[in-house]
Amino acid sequence: SQQGEEDPQALSIQEGENATMNCSYKTSINNLQWYRQNSGRGLVHLILIRSNEREKHSGRLRVTLDTSKKSSSLLITASRAADTASYFCATVFQGAQKLVFGQGTRLTINP
Amino acid sequence: EAQVTQNPRYLITVTGKKLTVTCSQNMNHEYMSWYRQDPGLGLRQIYYSMNVEVTDKGDVPEGYKVSRKEKRNFPLILESPSPNQTSLYFCASSFPRTSGGLGETQYFGPGTRLLVL
Repeated sequence: SQQGEEDPQALSIQEGENATMNCSYKTSINNLQWYRQNSGRGLVHLILIRSNEREKHSGRLRVTLDTSKKSSSLLITASRAADTASYFCATVFQGAQKLVFGQGTRLTINP
Repeated sequence: EAQVTQNPRYLITVTGKKLTVTCSQNMNHEYMSWYRQDPGLGLRQIYYSMNVEVTDKGDVPEGYKVSRKEKRNFPLILESPSPNQTSLYFCASSFPRTSGGLGETQYFGPGTRLLVL
C-alpha cells in the first residue's frame, strides 16, 4: 500500500507543551501535506511541504521532511485546548492524481 | 464565502435504495474528488474528476458512480447501497497545478454521514 503511516496513533499532552507527530511513506512524492480534522468534521489544510524542501513554518506549526528516510514530522508548539483534533498527513506521489492519507494521529490537549 | 458544500449531511437509508449525495464548490476549481473515511482505514479516494466530463476511479470505486456535467458540481451516486457503504463521505476540490496534475491545497466539504441498514 502507498498509504502513509502516522505515529503515534494517539497523543495526550498538557496545554502549553509541544506536540510532535510523525508520518512515514513508501514511494517518491511531489509534496506532503498536513490536515486537521475536528471530530467528525471536514478536513482543513494546515501546511504543505514540497519534496525539495526540508523545513517549513506556519505560525505555531513546524513541518520537516526527510526524503531519504521517507518521513515527515509536524510540531505544534505551545499547544492550546483548541488544537485538540485528529491530524493527518497526505502525500501526492509522483505521477498520481490523488492524495493518499495516513490514518491520523488523535491529539488531545488537556487544560 | 469560498466553500465546498455537501448534501445531505446525514442520511439513513435501506439496502438497495438508490441515493445521491451532492457536492458543490464555488471556487471555480477544476479538480474534484470523493473520499470515504472509516475507522482504522483513514480516508480513501473513491472517484476524482480533473474537469468537466473527465472522471476516473480512485482506490475504492466499487458500488459508486459519479458524473461531472458542470464544473461546480460532482454528485456521488450509490445505485444500490449496501451496509458496507456505511461511512463518512467527503468531497474535496482544488485547482490543478499549472504543470498539470493534482493541485496543492485541497478544500474539503463538511462531510456526509451515511448509514445503510
